[in-house]
Amino acid sequence: GDSVTQMEGPVTLSEEAFLTINCTYTATGYPSLFWYVQYPGEGLQLLLKATKADDKGSNKGFEATYRKETTSFHLEKGSVQVSDSAVYFCALSDRDTNAGKSTFGDGTTLTVKP
Amino acid sequence: ETGVTQSPTHLIKTRGQQVTLRCSSQSGHNTVSWYQQALGQGPQFIFQYYREEENGRGNFPPRFSGLQFPNYSSELNVNALELDDSALYLCASSLAGGRETQYFGPGTRLLVL
Repeated sequence: GDSVTQMEGPVTLSEEAFLTINCTYTATGYPSLFWYVQYPGEGLQLLLKATKADDKGSNKGFEATYRKETTSFHLEKGSVQVSDSAVYFCALSDRDTNAGKSTFGDGTTLTVKP
Repeated sequence: ETGVTQSPTHLIKTRGQQVTLRCSSQSGHNTVSWYQQALGQGPQFIFQYYREEENGRGNFPPRFSGLQFPNYSSELNVNALELDDSALYLCASSLAGGRETQYFGPGTRLLVL
């Protein structure tokens, strides 16, 4: 079945540092890929998505590129802020289903220190 | 535009009891999905409802059941609660169709003693 593997956390960075959170996936078809963010006490929010190979999703300075050859969707940000502290989830959904049937990774906790 | 809301926010039950969790979808959304998020893990898909019919189910036993109402609000019912059912339960609403963005509620934290 489908699966998503994220780099284990927690990740602690200083403000303005470069962020990479690795995500690899296993899927039988051609999935859509997502990054969600969960702030303390809140639900998940879609951060960015990509629906086909070589697509780049971007939002709020975060970027991720759909790499079919390496089955990866790594999240990057050039300069993190304290407000980026949250849990980040990589997820996929099968091509023939909608995003409501997503498979999630276990999340990576990011803490950014001033 | 009203977001996704869930009630209650927290709940404590004992093993063997039954529980009903509620979700109010974002305005205009006709699809709702429920997820279970155990501590330190990612959400696991339970099932999805589209226009009041179940539209896919994850690897959860039949004691997990749901309903979607004509106003697109929904319920998650869990019978014969087990200790391992302790988790954060999330609902997410969306429009039907491929790769539509899901909007998540804040979740209901269930503790089974």
